[in-house]
Amino acid sequence: EAGVAQSPRYKIIEKRQSVAFWCNPISGHATLYWYQQILGQGPKLLIQFQNNGVVDDSQLPKDRFSAERLKGVDSTLKIQPAKLEDSAVYLCASSPPLQGNTEAFFGQGTRLTVV
Amino acid sequence: AQSVTQLDSQVPVFEEAPVELRCNYSSSVSVYLFWYVQYPNQGLQLLLKYLSGSTLVKGITGFEAEFNKSQTSFHLRKPSVHISDTAEYFCAVSEGSGGYNKLIFGAGTRLAVHP
Repeated sequence: EAGVAQSPRYKIIEKRQSVAFWCNPISGHATLYWYQQILGQGPKLLIQFQNNGVVDDSQLPKDRFSAERLKGVDSTLKIQPAKLEDSAVYLCASSPPLQGNTEAFFGQGTRLTVV
Repeated sequence: AQSVTQLDSQVPVFEEAPVELRCNYSSSVSVYLFWYVQYPNQGLQLLLKYLSGSTLVKGITGFEAEFNKSQTSFHLRKPSVHISDTAEYFCAVSEGSGGYNKLIFGAGTRLAVHP
């Protein structure tokens, strides 16, 4: 079974530029998460989708971050404009269509460096 | 809201020695707990999880954890570590409402195994 795929693996941009990350979850997984992991910290949830609907985006900085999951499969996360403090690893994860305590399966992440 | 505290940011240990990585969570009526491992430049991989039942949970690569409700702890242990166990370890608690759960992570513990 293929895992969660993310691209690109690495990205370097200048501040005030825009950037987009792509995620393809495990086939059949209804729930998709985007986490931000700043160096030395644990992952922090940015947004959670259930199929193509947003369940939780309470910690998404909506003035600069946006995410979509058209057709309930792939997802993109965009930052526009980027700030230095956005330098982090962006992790995508997915869970099967079961409510409750299921684990999340993570991709390898995209390491963003803003200079 | 749930929170997770990992009491040690770094744990150095010699090869073949025992190790314990400590994790405390904020109390809740019911709780689901997880330990994830992150190798350099990789995503997170599930080590083990506690959902219900036996308080001693065994995971992959010889790790185990014990759920202690009275002390709100979920410490991770291994009786004899290997060089290959060098990685970042994250404790997480599942939080959710309306059936949609998300993982809340601790800050992580860096395990460094020395020869």
